[in-house]
Amino acid sequence: EVQLLESGGGLVQPGGSLRLSCAASGFIFSGYAMSWVRQAPGKGLEWVSGVTGGSGTITYYADSVKGRFTISRDNSKNTLFVQMNGLRAEDTAIYYCTSRPGPEMGPLDYWGQGALVTVSS
Amino acid sequence: DIQMTQSPSSLSASVGDRVTITCRASQGIGVALAWYQQKPGKIPTLLIYTASSLHSGVPSRFSGSGSGTDFTLTISGLQPEDVATYYCQKYDSAPFTFGPGTKVDI
Repeated sequence: EVQLLESGGGLVQPGGSLRLSCAASGFIFSGYAMSWVRQAPGKGLEWVSGVTGGSGTITYYADSVKGRFTISRDNSKNTLFVQMNGLRAEDTAIYYCTSRPGPEMGPLDYWGQGALVTVSS
Repeated sequence: DIQMTQSPSSLSASVGDRVTITCRASQGIGVALAWYQQKPGKIPTLLIYTASSLHSGVPSRFSGSGSGTDFTLTISGLQPEDVATYYCQKYDSAPFTFGPGTKVDI
């Protein structure tokens, strides 16, 4: 059974940093493309960042986070990360870790339960 | 970047009704489109991929169609458990943008 477990959420001041982790199990992590999707309170889904699987990894970012967020993966630990710097109030959201079977970016088959990030002073 | 729109933004229908939701891309995306369902208080789940392929375990009353810029999600015989917000998402190239969502009520 595919499981994705996010951690690292919390309250951070504007301009601060936070790193989210996503522990994956139940599938061959290295071969799956992974993404972060967020949802602000009462709002819709926003794709944030993604990384391909397989031998060579390619990273992608939404314009809203480019230059501030960095996605990475540790295939030896079956874990996905996103380093979030320069956080703003508008980054407040539930952050979902997602995956799909296959190395290329595509539809998001599996979703974690999410981690809440609150940016406020 | 390609923009995704959905219509309507919300709808109310009766049990058993046929419901159609439209998703439009500002440029052609082939069939690289997925639909997701998010029930109140729950995480999103994948319904349809490549515009018309039903994801494993999804009831057959859900169907998708379209290519290029115009896509539809149809629920043939709305059920109470279908109350949810439905999102389309493009995945032809980055950014992998979601539509704004369509809220479906009974």
